[in-house]
Amino acid sequence: DQQVKQNSPSLSVQEGRISILNCDYTNSMFDYFLWYKKYPAEGPTFLISISSIKDKNEDGRFTVFLNKSAKHLSLHIVPSQPGDSAVYFCAASASNYGGSQGNLIFGKGTKLSVKP
Amino acid sequence: DSGVTQTPKHLITATGQRVTLRCSPRSGDLSVYWYQQSLDQGLQFLIQYYNGEERAKGNILERFSAQQFPDLHSELNLSSLELGDSALYFCASSLASGHSPLHFGNGTRLTVT
Repeated sequence: DQQVKQNSPSLSVQEGRISILNCDYTNSMFDYFLWYKKYPAEGPTFLISISSIKDKNEDGRFTVFLNKSAKHLSLHIVPSQPGDSAVYFCAASASNYGGSQGNLIFGKGTKLSVKP
Repeated sequence: DSGVTQTPKHLITATGQRVTLRCSPRSGDLSVYWYQQSLDQGLQFLIQYYNGEERAKGNILERFSAQQFPDLHSELNLSSLELGDSALYFCASSLASGHSPLHFGNGTRLTVT
């Protein structure tokens, strides 16, 4: 049972436009959400996070939106740059889930291609 | 550079064999996590250690085991290897066991032939 779902395996966007990556989750116990970026041959790199007590968090060109009632979050990248081309993973965790707050449940990722 | 070091980068071995993957966490981080990424799969949580003690278990097979040593480095032992164990194995670390981002190493690519 996949608790974190990224239904779009890939997304192609023109440079300078907005990239919107989506993520859905099923476990209502999740209270902390993160986005990671992964380049080939490297480990995932933390991008941005949001706690369930917020509905928006912004860091430069990256904004994450959380809709708890819909169990949905999204990552907006504005403006998109060719260097943003990577696989983006959505992840979630819950306090006291399996005895730990820290272990993250990941989606399968969305491959973003930003074209010049 | 995340500060998390994983060795070796690549490992090729035969079915039935046993291998050990090593991870050195970021300086100061007490928690170590192991994840497996198979082809077309997301990262699957295997196990977490905090300051030397097992804290949480995920989808870890009985053939796999891990430990965290007093110097906080961790090892993941994979035994009786099968073809399906071929995957990328990532180690991550964080300062504590609560809500904080995990910092990942670059992974060990295991190929079982």
